[in-house]
Amino acid sequence: IQLTQSPSSLSASVGDRVTITCRASQGITNYLAWYQQKSGTVPKLLIFGASTLQSGVPSRFRGSGSGTVFTLTISSLQPEDVATYYCQNYNSAPPSTFGQGTRLEIK
Amino acid sequence: QLVESGGDLVQPGRSLRLSCVASGFTFEDYTMHWVRQAPGKGPEWVSGIGWNSASMAYADSVKGRFTISRDNAKSSLYLEMNSLRAEDTAFYYCAKGPYASGTWYFDVWGRGTFVTVSS
Repeated sequence: IQLTQSPSSLSASVGDRVTITCRASQGITNYLAWYQQKSGTVPKLLIFGASTLQSGVPSRFRGSGSGTVFTLTISSLQPEDVATYYCQNYNSAPPSTFGQGTRLEIK
Repeated sequence: QLVESGGDLVQPGRSLRLSCVASGFTFEDYTMHWVRQAPGKGPEWVSGIGWNSASMAYADSVKGRFTISRDNAKSSLYLEMNSLRAEDTAFYYCAKGPYASGTWYFDVWGRGTFVTVSS
């Protein structure tokens, strides 16, 4: 199963609403996770089950979707959200696959 | 909570063994995985092992060359890597699954250990 993220990079202003899309090559129900990776650090789990927020993750992060199209939304972008975001499919895993990433910067 | 070791510079065709020591959770209750990330690339799941070592799985890219194992008494995870190739060069992360079996998402990651395969 291939995952395609869009856009590959984006620049937005503090306070903006930001949306990242992840498309699966076939249906994966809701077996999708999102990770945040800041420069020089390890990936951090944000969302699993397409929409369940991991403990400790700010509520401005929201995941939605099912089947083949999923979105990660940041309701009000903060400076600390600068990172690369990855989606991960775990339907019928192994193997588990990751998207190619979306780099988010502050304008 | 997860600390990897064993990364090194190694020549193509040689072997290397990575280790990961866990703390802060009951190691034997969860699946454990190795995930790698080449510089500037996205993560790639490499291998996973069930809580009691009864099930193991590998990515096609490493099948037949890498072997995953665990020692619950030592809260440790291992990855034996043979016939290494240049394309195996990456950070190797130890990662914890949320359940005792299956391949799911990864809720705890180590800081990684870097493997360089080069002559």
